[in-house]
Amino acid sequence: GAGVSQSPSNKVTEKGKDVELRCDPISGHTALYWYRQSLGQGLEFLIYFQGNSAPDKSGLPSDRFSAERTGGSVSTLTIQRTQQEDSAVYLCASSSLWAGEQYFGPGTRLTVT
Amino acid sequence: ILNVEQSPQSLHVQEGDSTNFTCSFPSSNFYALHWYRWETAKSPEALFVMTLNGDEKKKGRISATLNTKEGYSYLYIKGSQPEDSATYLCALTYGQNFVFGPGTRLSVLP
Repeated sequence: GAGVSQSPSNKVTEKGKDVELRCDPISGHTALYWYRQSLGQGLEFLIYFQGNSAPDKSGLPSDRFSAERTGGSVSTLTIQRTQQEDSAVYLCASSSLWAGEQYFGPGTRLTVT
Repeated sequence: ILNVEQSPQSLHVQEGDSTNFTCSFPSSNFYALHWYRWETAKSPEALFVMTLNGDEKKKGRISATLNTKEGYSYLYIKGSQPEDSATYLCALTYGQNFVFGPGTRLSVLP
């Protein structure tokens, strides 16, 4: 597609369940970023992938969060044993190079009940 | 943890007014400075990426300047229109990190 896509657009889950969020970056973009915006907060950087290099995981809020990027394209952000504080909008972005202009997806709104 | 600050936090202007806001950041380890516009219910949209001290970028009625030595960037909007209403985010790339400021929420009143 022409832009970054994310799925699902909305996800409601029960506390303690695992969730997977998917991001399809723009074709050819080597850099992929995950962010989240909690209610009333700014954008929080979570993790980024650059090509096939190991990701920088320093921004992940806890070890319940993990992410992978298969074949240098699609990425999945997994949250295990979800907690209510995980409720947020999770945004994915991609760019053609690190620190270049980022193109954002529409986000996934996660609600943990 | 690097701290990126933006001021003011929010701003209300009348249609036709020109306005500007500030992004400030530590000047060491600077790599790139980004400006994004984030409209309600939409995704952030890139406006500018600047890397060099003294850079000036312009897109229509919006322009930005960068001073890496003193650690600030200004975003200017000339002749504000209601469609300019949004949150304007700056973000700093340094090392392997990418940090967003809290944003300036602009409301342009018709």
